[in-house]
Amino acid sequence: AQKITQTQPGMFVQEKEAVTLDCTYDTSDPSYGLFWYKQPSSGEMIFLIYQGSYDQQNATEGRYSLNFQKARKSANLVISASQLGDSAMYFCAMSATNAGGTSYGKLTFGQGTILTVHP
Amino acid sequence: NAGVTQTPKFQVLKTGQSMTLQCAQDMNHEYMSWYRQDPGMGLRLIHYSVGAGITDQGEVPNGYNVSRSTTEDFPLRLLSAAPSQTSVYFCASRRQGARGQYFGAGTRLSVL
Repeated sequence: AQKITQTQPGMFVQEKEAVTLDCTYDTSDPSYGLFWYKQPSSGEMIFLIYQGSYDQQNATEGRYSLNFQKARKSANLVISASQLGDSAMYFCAMSATNAGGTSYGKLTFGQGTILTVHP
Repeated sequence: NAGVTQTPKFQVLKTGQSMTLQCAQDMNHEYMSWYRQDPGMGLRLIHYSVGAGITDQGEVPNGYNVSRSTTEDFPLRLLSAAPSQTSVYFCASRRQGARGQYFGAGTRLSVL
């Protein structure tokens, strides 16, 4: 079984500053992938970034980076230079993968963190 | 290219009624999934499919049925609606080998 824990119900950040959203996970799968999704107030789910458990380097996508610490079972999302449009709910999720890193598509989500960016 | 389309956007049911939530994707994605989102609980997987004719249960399958007769469509059936099924339902699809899933806009369901 997989479990995702997001311990920060809400976070506040000043515009243009960086913010880290915490995510810890637990799984017995030997190979897995970690995802972050953004859900604005409009309700849609937007895929942000992916990290494979065997990837040697931390994933980055524009202003998003994933601080992956396998031994600590953590996969924190770092948003640099926060913008007002970053205000949203953020979900960490994971999925088992095959040895080649291909996800099976069955995502387990955390409870989410509401990020508010202040001007 | 419409992506993942869910209908209806909103629905109110009475306890015991049945209905089908529709999900269609035009991206020829092999994988499709249904999730429900409840306040404070994140999204939970109901059912998923890895291709036409192949479905399997997720974390919370009770009270829901699915079938996948075509690659494009993945309807979710509520056989006898209960108040506990009041939730927001999301359909998602993904191409085999891709990492991120595409989500539909969601269906907000209330069961009275």
